[in-house]
Amino acid sequence: QLQLQESGPGLVKSSETLSLTCTVSGGSISRSTNFWGWLRQPPGKGLEWIGSIHYSGSTSYKSSLQSRVTISVDTSKNQFSLELRSVTAADTAVYYCASLPLSNCVDIWGKGTTVTVSS
Amino acid sequence: QSALTQPASVSGSPGQSITISCTGTSSDIGSYNTVSWYQQHPGKAPQLIIYEVNKRPSGVSNRFSGSKSGNTASLTISGLQAEDEADYYCCSYAGYSTPYVFGTGAKVTVL
Repeated sequence: QLQLQESGPGLVKSSETLSLTCTVSGGSISRSTNFWGWLRQPPGKGLEWIGSIHYSGSTSYKSSLQSRVTISVDTSKNQFSLELRSVTAADTAVYYCASLPLSNCVDIWGKGTTVTVSS
Repeated sequence: QSALTQPASVSGSPGQSITISCTGTSSDIGSYNTVSWYQQHPGKAPQLIIYEVNKRPSGVSNRFSGSKSGNTASLTISGLQAEDEADYYCCSYAGYSTPYVFGTGAKVTVL
């Protein structure tokens, strides 16, 4: 059973960089029919896709975040990571990592990690 | 890419059936048979309950069913139970440039 687990700081200062890692267990991150993604949910609001990566390194990002986001993959550790630069209070959210089958929405979610941006 | 439109709230009595709509465009729901639905209880991660419009993952109750017509997808919950009270989100694949678009979310209340 595939499982995903987010890890990283729960508090980030405004204007700094938010960095999170997702560890995949119960399966290989190198499956060709899968993308791996980051999503977030601000307090009291809906779900937002941030970006996705294939094990080959191919990425796609939400256009409004593209200038601040980098997603990378480490196949040797079965992990993928998120960097979000120049954060503001608007980036405060629960961040989820997820599995995205090819041309499909999320099938498996991590438990989520809360990140608060402080001034 | 704009969010898919869902009603903010839907309610029903135990045992009744309710339907949640999810309206998109010809660029997302109208072009792909890859609509998914998620149930999210407070403080929990979303859980997949429908994928590819009308397929249920193993372990999901057959009281949940999905359908699509044109640019609108729908989730029906039959035999409503107290445990169904949660937020529900739809999601559609939307092509290479912006692959995924989510719905605005619908809160289901069991009266």
